[in-house]
Amino acid sequence: EVQLVESGGGLVQPGRSLRLSCTASGFTFGDYAMSWVRQAPGKGLEWVGFIRSKAYGGTTEYAASVKGRFTISRDDSKSIAYLQMNSLKTEDTAVYYCTRGILWFGGLDYWGQGTLVTVSS
Amino acid sequence: QSVLTQPPSVSAAPGQKVTISCSGSSSNIGNNYVSWYQQLPGTAPKLLIYDNNKRPSGIPDRFSGSKSGTSATLGITGLQTGDEADYYCGTWDSSLSAHAVFGGGTQLTVL
Repeated sequence: EVQLVESGGGLVQPGRSLRLSCTASGFTFGDYAMSWVRQAPGKGLEWVGFIRSKAYGGTTEYAASVKGRFTISRDDSKSIAYLQMNSLKTEDTAVYYCTRGILWFGGLDYWGQGTLVTVSS
Repeated sequence: QSVLTQPPSVSAAPGQKVTISCSGSSSNIGNNYVSWYQQLPGTAPKLLIYDNNKRPSGIPDRFSGSKSGTSATLGITGLQTGDEADYYCGTWDSSLSAHAVFGGGTQLTVL
């Protein structure tokens, strides 16, 4: 059974950093691209970014709203994807979902339960 | 505001059919695959349709997807009360700031 479990969310002050982890199981992690999607309270879904599998270079793409502040990485030996969030802003407050796949090619076929990040002083 | 436009809400009676539109442009829907997601209250989204019209295993054939030009449509037949949810379309947008995008979401009410 495919499972994605996010961790690392919590309350953080504006300007600080936070790292989210997504621990995967039930599939060959290294074979898949991994994406992050967020949802602000009461709002719609927002794509954050994704990381390709090593077979496709392991490169990343980001939404304009987080580019230069957020970094996605992966450790295939541990089946973990990371979302490093720096220079956090209040508007980054959201539930962050880890997902498997590519939104525009094959879709995001598995989602974690999400982890809440609250940016507030 | 998203570059993909969805109606904020749609409604229909149990057993009926409903369609949800997702309107975009040549920089997104016109030249990329579209996927659709269902988000039941308080839960994570679930993939319903990928690559315009393909259903993942386990998704009933009551759900269908189509694309024509710069618009995509999600169809749901035989509506059930359990279909009450928010629905989102998504694709890649190759405009100046290339990125993936979701539509604003559509809330389905089964009357």
